Amino acid sequence: EPEVTQTPSHQVTQMGQEVILRCVPISNHLYFYWYRQILGQKVEFLVSFYNNEISEKSEIFDDQFSVERPDGSNFTLKIRSTKLEDSAMYFCASITTTSQETQYFGPGTRLLVL
Amino acid sequence: QKEVEQDPGPLSVPEGAIVSLNCTYSNSAFQYFMWYRQYSRKGPELLMYTYSSGNKEDGRFTAQVDKSSKYISLFIRDSQPSDSATYLCAMSDGSSYKLIFGSGTRLLVRP
Repeated sequence: EPEVTQTPSHQVTQMGQEVILRCVPISNHLYFYWYRQILGQKVEFLVSFYNNEISEKSEIFDDQFSVERPDGSNFTLKIRSTKLEDSAMYFCASITTTSQETQYFGPGTRLLVL
Repeated sequence: QKEVEQDPGPLSVPEGAIVSLNCTYSNSAFQYFMWYRQYSRKGPELLMYTYSSGNKEDGRFTAQVDKSSKYISLFIRDSQPSDSATYLCAMSDGSSYKLIFGSGTRLLVRP
């Protein structure tokens, strides 16, 4: 069964450093999402991406964040200058256009900012 | 008022019990309602989704949506220890399909 994959599974970084989180969505999916989950809190929407551009972003997704689809398979989330409060699980998700209510999540990247 | 509210639990039940998990919401624009299961430190796994009001059944799982009350439920019949996880409700208004999640209910099924 196709699945969303994410790398790395864990990332530890120093405050102020740049990190890039990578996702490979399911191959025929066209909408892509990033969510985050701070430990003990709810899953929160960050950004949605369709047709090579951001379609919607939350208040959390400020100028420190960017997304890119550098090739036909990868979808990345970049945090330019990490803060302590960026420590969280980051989940990538994707959907098809024919079944838009079924959003499939990757296993997540656990980011720890020291 | 929070957009989606969910009792965090934990909910502890004996094996074989019927489990009822619930969420309430405030945004009447929500049209799609999902239940996800999340094991510790893993990604959410889609269990069921429902469009608008009504019931949907899949094996031991039944999802119910009551839009007039802004209330959704997930029932698990014949619960198993392997059902022990956190259950997340999520909703979408169908425009961008971004999901708004509840805080999750932690379920423990005792053997």
